[in-house]
Amino acid sequence: GAVVSQHPSRVICKSGTSVKIECRSLDFQATTMFWYRQFPKQSLMLMATSNEGSKATYEQGVEKDKFLINHASLTLSTLTVTSAHPEDSSFYICSAPSGSRTDTQYFGPGTRLTVL
Amino acid sequence: EDQVTQSPEALRLQEGESSSLNCSYTVSGLRGLFWYRQDPGKGPEFLFTLYSAGEEKEKERLKATLTKKESFLHITAPKPEDSATYLCAVRGSGTYKYIFGTGTRLKVLA
Repeated sequence: GAVVSQHPSRVICKSGTSVKIECRSLDFQATTMFWYRQFPKQSLMLMATSNEGSKATYEQGVEKDKFLINHASLTLSTLTVTSAHPEDSSFYICSAPSGSRTDTQYFGPGTRLTVL
Repeated sequence: EDQVTQSPEALRLQEGESSSLNCSYTVSGLRGLFWYRQDPGKGPEFLFTLYSAGEEKEKERLKATLTKKESFLHITAPKPEDSATYLCAVRGSGTYKYIFGTGTRLKVLA
């Protein structure tokens, strides 16, 4: 199957700082990637769709100025949490469709963000 | 409105005790139904994609089936290592977006 990586896997930061999370498709190209947020014992909540070469599309209720997304290339999307606060602490997961007929989404291993 | 409901919310099985997880869905123009396994602190791991009613797919102790309204994930003679949260998602026509269910937390006891 297709492989998606995320970096870092875990980050702890102070309130008010910005944190960047990288998502890479390792063995396929992805013009579209997705960013999810997951709270403990809950399902995945789609935050935004990252589009290579154009602006990201944000889901209703997600602050675009708070969660900056850049899709720099066909294999890399980044999510920057700006001026992070404790309520931004969560598990962030990216995914990318494989581009095959199935367009099955393959997920990264996730990034645990803790804001102190 | 597209919707996915999974049941049960949690399930405890003895090793070797077969069972089924349910995923009921409502979607405009199903383009795929997806099953994932998620271990604590990790991203979802892809298991199956189903496209049309009557389709079935198998992998080791897992078998996924699909009707026009629901999908089942059958687990035959489960082992403790099958313990995980199993997520179901659907994709409708005209979008790459998935609609996820809330998952079934499976615990298999030795």
